[in-house]
Amino acid sequence: DAGITQSPRHKVTETGTPVTLRCHQTENHRYMYWYRQDPGHGLRLIHYSYGVKDTDKGEVSDGYSVSRSKTEDFLLTLESATSSQTSVYFCAISDPSWGGETYTFGSGTRLTVV
Amino acid sequence: LAKTTQPISMDSYEGQEVNITCSHNNIATNDYITWYQQFPSQGPRFIIQGYKTKVTNEVASLFIPADRKSSTLSLPRVSLSDTAVYYCLVGAPYSSASKIIFGSGTRLSIRP
Repeated sequence: DAGITQSPRHKVTETGTPVTLRCHQTENHRYMYWYRQDPGHGLRLIHYSYGVKDTDKGEVSDGYSVSRSKTEDFLLTLESATSSQTSVYFCAISDPSWGGETYTFGSGTRLTVV
Repeated sequence: LAKTTQPISMDSYEGQEVNITCSHNNIATNDYITWYQQFPSQGPRFIIQGYKTKVTNEVASLFIPADRKSSTLSLPRVSLSDTAVYYCLVGAPYSSASKIIFGSGTRLSIRP
């Protein structure tokens, strides 16, 4: 979607190697999220951020870390990739208001750990 | 957690109206109801959001009864391009993201 880009779009990596996925936004939204999507599980929240240097864990945070040093960038790091982390990763942004809140998602990163 | 329940899958034909119902029995006062659409190999895309009664936009309508314990997404005159997974979400602005659950959604298949 316009305003949010993920890189890389595809990656194959070996078990035990560190991997960093990048999410970049141009919307100046305060909130950013990382989800993973696997067959039969829908979208599951990994980590999220509600501002620079403010992050929190989601439902499936084990094995992942995040950093947000600038409003526009949210990095997801797999410290030591495992085959169970083979998945499609989506970044999302939101800008809540008391009139409602909606998410805008990136196009995803397909990660394969071999 | 504002958990939602939707049918796993639905089938319909081109030109028909499709209604997908979502149950959210423990919806809170500040919660909004939001629907997203996801095509293969793409991220979910916002369709419609509402708080109560009826909301309509150029894509769909959202019906919410007075007790707000369920909602119905209505897609008028569907086409093959409406084949996708549809997610119902319930949550309040500024609440913890961990409280908003996507679930597995409803896989809608449209036939010619």
